[in-house]
Amino acid sequence: DVKVTQSSRYLVKRTGEKVFLECVQDMDHENMFWYRQDPGLGLRLIYFSYDVKMKEKGDIPEGYSVSREKKERFSLILESASTNQTSMYLCASSSMGNNQPQHFGDGTRLSIL
Amino acid sequence: AQSVSQHNHHVILSEAASLELGCNYSYGGTVNLFWYVQYPGQHLQLLLKYFSGDPLVKGIKGFEAEFIKSKFSFNLRKPSVQWSDTAEYFCAVREGGSYIPTFGRGTSLIVHP
Repeated sequence: DVKVTQSSRYLVKRTGEKVFLECVQDMDHENMFWYRQDPGLGLRLIYFSYDVKMKEKGDIPEGYSVSREKKERFSLILESASTNQTSMYLCASSSMGNNQPQHFGDGTRLSIL
Repeated sequence: AQSVSQHNHHVILSEAASLELGCNYSYGGTVNLFWYVQYPGQHLQLLLKYFSGDPLVKGIKGFEAEFIKSKFSFNLRKPSVQWSDTAEYFCAVREGGSYIPTFGRGTSLIVHP
């Protein structure tokens, strides 16, 4: 079965810290995504990667960066965490086929104090 | 830019009631359509998808959705809901040729036993 694993379910960090969220998928998928999920706002795309070392900005990339050094791993980086980045972060992956859905991780609930 | 509207933000039903959740999108070309469900404390998972062919799509757990191209709609239905259907439901639309779906804001469904 498809598995997308996010390194932490809950994370508490302080304002100004550099925060790393890790995501690993075991399906050899080309595409990987980072979203944040906030009540009433649905899923908003932060960054997208379609291949190793390739990335594209999503709808809300400000304050974030990403790294994809290996196909299976996609990292989200908060360069200097701020309280407005407190949220649920979801990682997803999908294969290149047009008719393929996304597979999601369990999410990381991040609190910035 | 593509937009996806889910008209019902919160729905409360009693068990055995019928369910219909609305989803409308703005893109006029070829689309791939998805409904995802997020049960409390769990990851988003695919309920059903439409790519081509029969516009009435059947998914897991008795859900179905109908693609009406002229109305730019992909409404989710279930004839008789159960308490275990309590969850958040997301509609997603992907333009043909793109790997990035646009999500609606979600509908929170509560089913009372």
